[in-house]
Amino acid sequence: QVQLQESGPGLVKPSETLSLTCTVSGGSIGSYYWSWIRQPPGKGLEWIGYIHHTGSTNYNPSLKSRLTISIATSENQFSLKLSSVTAADTAVYYCARIVPGGSSWDYFDYWGQGFLVTVSS
Amino acid sequence: DIQMTQSPSSLSASVGDRVTITCRASQSISIYLNWYQQKPGKAPNLLIYAASSLQSGVPSRFSGSGSGTDFTLTISSLQPEDFAIYYCQQSYSTPLTFGQGTKVDIK
Repeated sequence: QVQLQESGPGLVKPSETLSLTCTVSGGSIGSYYWSWIRQPPGKGLEWIGYIHHTGSTNYNPSLKSRLTISIATSENQFSLKLSSVTAADTAVYYCARIVPGGSSWDYFDYWGQGFLVTVSS
Repeated sequence: DIQMTQSPSSLSASVGDRVTITCRASQSISIYLNWYQQKPGKAPNLLIYAASSLQSGVPSRFSGSGSGTDFTLTISSLQPEDFAIYYCQQSYSTPLTFGQGTKVDIK
């Protein structure tokens, strides 16, 4: 059973960089696409971007200028960095696996439990 | 970006009721439409992919249909554990986008 777990600072100051890591267990990070999705408190879901195990990425244009997603296959982890954060970036951040990946058939089949990041001074 | 609009935004229903939720895309997305269920404090859970394919382990009372721009999620007989928020998501093109959600609560 694949499991995903988000980790990182839960509080980030405005204008700083939000950094989160997703650790994958119960399976290899290889051969799959991995994604970040966020959900502001009481609101809907927003796709942030995804990364393939080869390192190729696809970002939401609304965040692209501030976003970096990277992968460490040897550690079975992938990471999110979002720079110049504001209060609007306060959200529960989820990591998820995409299958089959990189196609119009994509869907999110495994999700982390979610991690609340608050942007506040 | 492809906009996904769900209706209704919320509904009240009783155990045993048949419930239908609609999702409309701003342009044709063929059958590239997925449905998720989210309970309070939990991550979304995949129910249906490719418009009508039931994810493994999901009860058969859930079904999906549609193509092009109009899709439906149907719960044939609502159970107590089905009270949740339901989201549609298009995978036709990036950025991947979700509907705003439909909250199903107890009448």
